[in-house]
Amino acid sequence: GAVVSQHPSRVICKSGTSVKIECRSLDFQATTMFWYRQFPKKSLMLMATSNEGSKATYEQGVEKDKFLINHASLTLSTLTVTSAHPEDSSFYICSARVSGTDTQYFGPGTRLTVL
Amino acid sequence: RKEVEQDPGPFNVPEGATVAFNCTYSNSASQSFFWYRQDCRKEPKLLMSVYSSGNEDGRFTAQLNRASQYISLLIRDSKLSDSATYLCVVSFSGGYNKLIFGAGTRLAVHP
Repeated sequence: GAVVSQHPSRVICKSGTSVKIECRSLDFQATTMFWYRQFPKKSLMLMATSNEGSKATYEQGVEKDKFLINHASLTLSTLTVTSAHPEDSSFYICSARVSGTDTQYFGPGTRLTVL
Repeated sequence: RKEVEQDPGPFNVPEGATVAFNCTYSNSASQSFFWYRQDCRKEPKLLMSVYSSGNEDGRFTAQLNRASQYISLLIRDSKLSDSATYLCVVSFSGGYNKLIFGAGTRLAVHP
């Protein structure tokens, strides 16, 4: 149980374009989902917490207008990287928290390369 | 000071060895503790939760010392398949139970 999917798994885009990443909980409902970013050989850094039906909570230093998060249903959250720059190239990972627990299950990640 | 600190390694050990990883956390309000495993270019996967009384899952034993704000993971009889990065993770109650990750300790098990 507790499967989280992400789509796409890999994306290459040009500078200035926008990229949308989807995160889905496949066999459970997740009122809270989290978005992380991981640079090579670094730890996961929480970008924002996404709550179904309300605005996302962003971590300090993360631009909310650049990283748009929408959590429209209990099984889907999306992250849109707007006006992408090469420095946005990273591994983006979502997780979904099982309601009533501290346990988060992670999606397989999306590797973004901005040319 | 980082919120969660780990020795980055790498730890290079032969098959069958016992290896221990340590982790310290700075926020005494931390309430939940975990070890995750991350393979190269993959997502983290939950290895085990860590309880105050200590807990064991097969070859893996986790310990928590709240007074010292210290967490450990012991792997016995290492297998080649144990090679990965092990992430120490803490969670704070309140808000949305954010997870704070350590930078990870890399383990390489060789024949």
